[in-house]
Amino acid sequence: EVQLVETGGGLVQPGKSLKLTCATSGFTFSTAWMHWVRQSPEKRLEWIARIKDKSNNYATDYVESVKGRFTISRDDSKSSVYLQMNSLKEEDTATYYCTVATAYWGQGVMVTVSS
Amino acid sequence: DIQMTQSPSFLSASVGDRVTINCKASQNINKYLNWYQQKLGEAPKRLIYNTNNLQTGIPSRFSGSGSGTDYTLTISSLQPEDFATYFCLQHNSFPNTFGAGTKLELK
Repeated sequence: EVQLVETGGGLVQPGKSLKLTCATSGFTFSTAWMHWVRQSPEKRLEWIARIKDKSNNYATDYVESVKGRFTISRDDSKSSVYLQMNSLKEEDTATYYCTVATAYWGQGVMVTVSS
Repeated sequence: DIQMTQSPSFLSASVGDRVTINCKASQNINKYLNWYQQKLGEAPKRLIYNTNNLQTGIPSRFSGSGSGTDYTLTISSLQPEDFATYFCLQHNSFPNTFGAGTKLELK
């Protein structure tokens, strides 16, 4: 059974940083392209980052709204993917999901950016 | 980025009704179009992938069609558990982009 579990969310002040972790099991992580998606309080979904596998040099891509502030990374030995979020803004407030192959999603973790 | 225009935003229907939800892409997405169902407090669940492929375990009353820029999700006979929000997703080119959602409500 495929499982993805996100952790690391919480309340953070604007300008601060937060790191999300997604621990996975039930599939061959090392060959999977992993993604982060977020959903705003208004329920709009936004695909924000992806990281390819080793054979694709772990290449990364970001949506413009987070480019330069967020970094996606992975540890194949731990079957985990990460999202380092810096210089957070109030508009980054959302539920963050990690996903694989557009099919499997974690339960999501809430991030609230507020002073 | 490819823009996805989903319609309608809200849909009121009864158990047993046939309903359709549409997504229009701002450019050809080569049938790389998925449909998701989301219930309150849950992650989106994939129903259909690549236009017309039914996800394992999803009832056959759900179906998808389309090509080019225009795509449709059809629910042939609504069941009580189908009242939820539905999203389309294009994954032809990064960044993948979603429609704004259709909230399906009980009439």
